Amino acid sequence: DVKVTQSSRYLVKRTGEKVFLECVQDMDHENMFWYRQDPGLGLRLIYFSYDVKMKEKGDIPEGYSVSREKKERFSLILESASTNQTSMYLCASSSSGAGDNSPLHFGNGTRLTVT
Amino acid sequence: AQSVTQPDIHITVSEGASLELRCNYSYGATPYLFWYVQSPGQGLQLLLKYFSGDTLVQGIKGFEAEFKRSQSSFNLRKPSVHWSDAAEYFCAVGTPSGTYKYIFGTGTRLKVLA
Repeated sequence: DVKVTQSSRYLVKRTGEKVFLECVQDMDHENMFWYRQDPGLGLRLIYFSYDVKMKEKGDIPEGYSVSREKKERFSLILESASTNQTSMYLCASSSSGAGDNSPLHFGNGTRLTVT
Repeated sequence: AQSVTQPDIHITVSEGASLELRCNYSYGATPYLFWYVQSPGQGLQLLLKYFSGDTLVQGIKGFEAEFKRSQSSFNLRKPSVHWSDAAEYFCAVGTPSGTYKYIFGTGTRLKVLA
């Protein structure tokens, strides 16, 4: 069974801090994703990666960066946290296939509060 | 532009009653369609998926969904709801373009009355 593990369930950070959210998957998936989930807005894609050291911007990349140095690990970085980045962050992974036909496997999420 | 609409933000049903959650999509061809469920404090779990073939697909936990091309819909159904089905449900669309950009609906929160 695929397991996607996010290192923290809850984080509280101060405005201006640099924040790292870590995600590890154990199924050798090529693709990894970071989503942000806010009430009434559903899931919005921040960044995704289809290979080590490769990354693509999603729909809301501003204020975020990512790192993928190893296949199993995908990190989301908030360079200077702001209160409007308070949210639930979900990491997901999928295997490569024809187009987008591979379902996503999600971690349990990190609820980040920026004060 | 591709989009997914879940018109019902909240739905309340009694335990044992039937359930239908609506999902409409906008896409020029037949997309890949998914339903996910999110229990409180958890990530999303795949319930079922449609790629091609039989338009009625079966999923886990007794759920099924029917793809209707003419209506651009992919509604989720369950004949008899259990209290443990209380959760938030997301419809999602993937495209055969290889962009890996899944589009999610805004979700429907299901409440089950005992």
